[in-house]
Amino acid sequence: GEDVEQSLFLSVREGDSSVINCTYTDSSSTYLYWYKQEPGAGLQLLTYIFSNMDMKQDQRLTVLLNKKDKHLSLRIADTQTGDSAIYFCAERRSGGSYIPTFGRGTSLIVHP
Amino acid sequence: EAGVAQSPRYKIIEKRQSVAFWCNPISGHATLYWYQQILGQGPKLLIQFQNNGVVDDSQLPKDRFSAERLKGVDSTLKIQPAKLEDSAVYLCASSLDLRGNEKLFFGSGTQLSVL
Repeated sequence: GEDVEQSLFLSVREGDSSVINCTYTDSSSTYLYWYKQEPGAGLQLLTYIFSNMDMKQDQRLTVLLNKKDKHLSLRIADTQTGDSAIYFCAERRSGGSYIPTFGRGTSLIVHP
Repeated sequence: EAGVAQSPRYKIIEKRQSVAFWCNPISGHATLYWYQQILGQGPKLLIQFQNNGVVDDSQLPKDRFSAERLKGVDSTLKIQPAKLEDSAVYLCASSLDLRGNEKLFFGSGTQLSVL
C-alpha cells in the first residue's frame, strides 16, 4: 500500500473549517509537511511539523500530529474560495537522503 | 527572489521519440530534485542531486531516463525512448541543503503527453 494515505476529496462551504487528514507508515519520520498545489502550478509548502511536536498553528492553519497513530491533520479555519486546491501530505524520514514522500493529495473544493 | 524555472511548459511527442526537460533552481540551492507526477497521484521522486552529485536515483528507470547536473546548477532530464506511461507532469524542485526542515521550492512543471 501507499506510504502516505489521504482521502481524495473534501467539499466545504465558504467560511467553514476544513480538516484534511493523512496517515503515514514510517514511525521514524522526522518531518511532516503540508503542500498546496493550485491548477497548473507546482507545489507550495504551507507548513511543516517536527515529529516531537503535537500541534503547530500558523494563522488560519493548524497542524495536529498523533505520532502514536501516525496521523496528521491540517485544519484551515474560515475556508475561502482561494483555498480550493489539492493538498499533499508528505513525510521525510530520518537517515538516508531525507527525501520527502508524498501522498496522492486531497482535492479541496470550497463552494459559496 | 526568482523561483525554480522549468521549460518547456508543455510537450507532446509520439511514443519512442526522445524528449528533454530543463530546470534552473533557485540561486544558491545545493539540492535539486526531479519528480514525476502522474495525473491523480502525488509526486514521485525520480532523482536527487546534491551539487553535481547524485544522492538518490533508485526510482529512476535508468533504461530510458537520464539526468545530469554537470556544473551543480542547471539540470536536464531526458527520456529516450518515451512510452505512453511516461505521460505526466515533471516537476523540478530545489532546496538550500539536505537538512530535514529545508523547504522544497517547486517549479511549475513540464506537462508531457506521449501519444
